[in-house]
Formats: sequence, C-alpha cells, structure tokens
Amino acid sequence: EVQVVESGGGLIQPGGSLRLSCAASGFTVSSNYMNWVRQAPGKGLEWVSVIFSGGNTYYADSVKGRFTISRDNSKNTLYLQMNSLRAEDTAVYYCARWNFWYFDLWGRGTLVTVSP
Amino acid sequence: EIVLTQSPSTLSLSPGERATLSCRASQSVSSSYLAWYQQKPGQAPRLLIYGASSRATGIPDRFSGSGSGTDFTLTISRLEPEDFAVYYCQQYDSSPPWTFGQGTKVEIQ
Repeated sequence: EVQVVESGGGLIQPGGSLRLSCAASGFTVSSNYMNWVRQAPGKGLEWVSVIFSGGNTYYADSVKGRFTISRDNSKNTLYLQMNSLRAEDTAVYYCARWNFWYFDLWGRGTLVTVSP
Repeated sequence: EIVLTQSPSTLSLSPGERATLSCRASQSVSSSYLAWYQQKPGQAPRLLIYGASSRATGIPDRFSGSGSGTDFTLTISRLEPEDFAVYYCQQYDSSPPWTFGQGTKVEIQ
C-alpha cells in the first residue's frame, strides 16, 4: 500500500528542538518531491518545506534558518529537524508528496505543540 | 509569491443547494497547477480537482472546477451531507513556495 506515516510530534518548550519523521511505503522517497505542510489549530494550510528528488531543498520564509528537511534513502524516510521552536510553530505537520501537478499523497499528520 | 484569496470565508447552505466557491490569485496562475482540496475535521486534505478543472479519481461529478488566469471557481452542483467541510485552493508557480488559499468553510444552514 502506498502511504506515508508521520511521527515525532509532541509538547516542546519555546526555543527547543524536535525532529519529525515521515516513513513512506509503496514508493521511493528519493524519487519524489517530498514536502512538509502544516496547519495551526483552527487555521489553514501552510507549505513549510520541500526536498526535490535531486536533493535541492526549499523553505517557507517563516521557518528558513530554523528548520531543515532531509531524507534517509536507506530507511525511505523523510525528516524535518525543527530548531528554535516558537509558539507560532504549533500545528499539525503533514508529510505530502508532490507529483508535479498536485499533492497526491498525504499522511495523517503529527501534532507539534510549542508551549512553556 | 502568489497569494490566493478565497471567498466567501463561510458559505451557509442546505443539502441539495448549489455551492460556488471562489479563488482569486494575486497574479496569473497556470491552470495546470491550480488544485482544490477538501478537508474534514481531524483528517488530511483530500484532492478534488487538479489542473483547474479535472476531477481526481473517485470524485463525484457534482464537483466541478473552472477558471483561468487569476480567477478560479469550485462548484458543487447539489450539496450532499458529506460535502460540508472546508475547501482550499492551491497553486504552484514552477518553483517554491507552494501557496494555499485561506479556505472556505461550507456549513449546514
């Protein structure tokens, strides 16, 4: 079955760090454009970051310099290293695959709560 | 960065009625890269329409998309109870960032 499953969310204090994981099955992470999209409580969708199949990475201005996207090809897993976390980073973080036309595969998300 | 503005923010309708949702872009968007998603509480977004007007696999034909340039529309011809949800438009402009509209909530009147 083709799916992605996020993990690693939780409660973290402001200024702390957290690493999210997105385990993929049924397809190869490194052959695809893999993204993180987040949704703050009661708010809309916000694109966060992408890693292209060639390895190039891009970030939303709101997380640039604090978040790092990466992948482990041997584990077929996508990661998001989040440092210097702020209250406004509180959100459900979704892993999503871009198929050059639209986001065609989404996980169920993992909740990150940044609070004292 | 292209900004997508959806209107209205909330649409209050009854089952069986027609819903018309608007998505306006701050600059011209390639129709190939304009998509619509449906999201229900506690669930991930679900693709409805891609390429501005093509229905995704398994999407009922009561959902249709149209538009070009800066103005796009999602129409639900006759609302079913399961259609009450939040709808987002999304665009890609050949390079990051991807952007989403702020969403339109379709609620039961």
